[in-house]
Amino acid sequence: AQTVTQSQPEMSVQEAETVTLSCTYDTSESNYYLFWYKQPPSRQMILVIRQEAYKQQNATENRFSVNFQKAAKSFSLKISDSQLGDTAMYFCAFSRNAGNMLTFGGGTRLMVKP
Amino acid sequence: GAVVSQHPSWVICKSGTSVKIECRSLDFQATTMFWYRQFPKQSLMLMATSNEGSKATYEQGVEKDKFLINHASLTLSTLTVTSAHPEDSSFYICSAPASGRTDTQYFGPGTRLTVL
Repeated sequence: AQTVTQSQPEMSVQEAETVTLSCTYDTSESNYYLFWYKQPPSRQMILVIRQEAYKQQNATENRFSVNFQKAAKSFSLKISDSQLGDTAMYFCAFSRNAGNMLTFGGGTRLMVKP
Repeated sequence: GAVVSQHPSWVICKSGTSVKIECRSLDFQATTMFWYRQFPKQSLMLMATSNEGSKATYEQGVEKDKFLINHASLTLSTLTVTSAHPEDSSFYICSAPASGRTDTQYFGPGTRLTVL
């Protein structure tokens, strides 16, 4: 079974600053997918970024980027130029393939302060 | 992007009654759908995998006789909470990967269930 751990229950950052959210996971699979999802107060799950384990290059999506360390089983999310709209719960998630069930971490509540 | 809807968005019921929650893929077909439960201030936990044309697969600890899942068509899965109790109060979310596609899956907006 896979496990996903987010060690930071809450974090805050000043607007326009950079923040990094941590995530570690455990699996015996050699190929898999990792995701960061955002859940704003509306509770709609929004995909932020996705990483395929066989790709060594770290994924980036505009202000969002990941630091994927496969050997260390670490998958952190960096948010640059933080905006007030980034305030939300962020979940790290694991999947054996992109369309399969997700195992979520416990979440990190991010507050962006003006 | 693809859209998944859920109905109702919220429901309040009395203890002992049954509640049906629908999950629909609006612009794509989904042979598989997933049902998650999210308690307040907690993460999403997979309850079951809904399979079109066959029985659902339940995660360990989830009572299949209490949480009835029916995947009636390629665009509709229903979760029925039978004999609901206050401890079943939660936020229920479905997701669906588009059939034949390898990209990620799409989440419904969730249903808040409150059992009095």
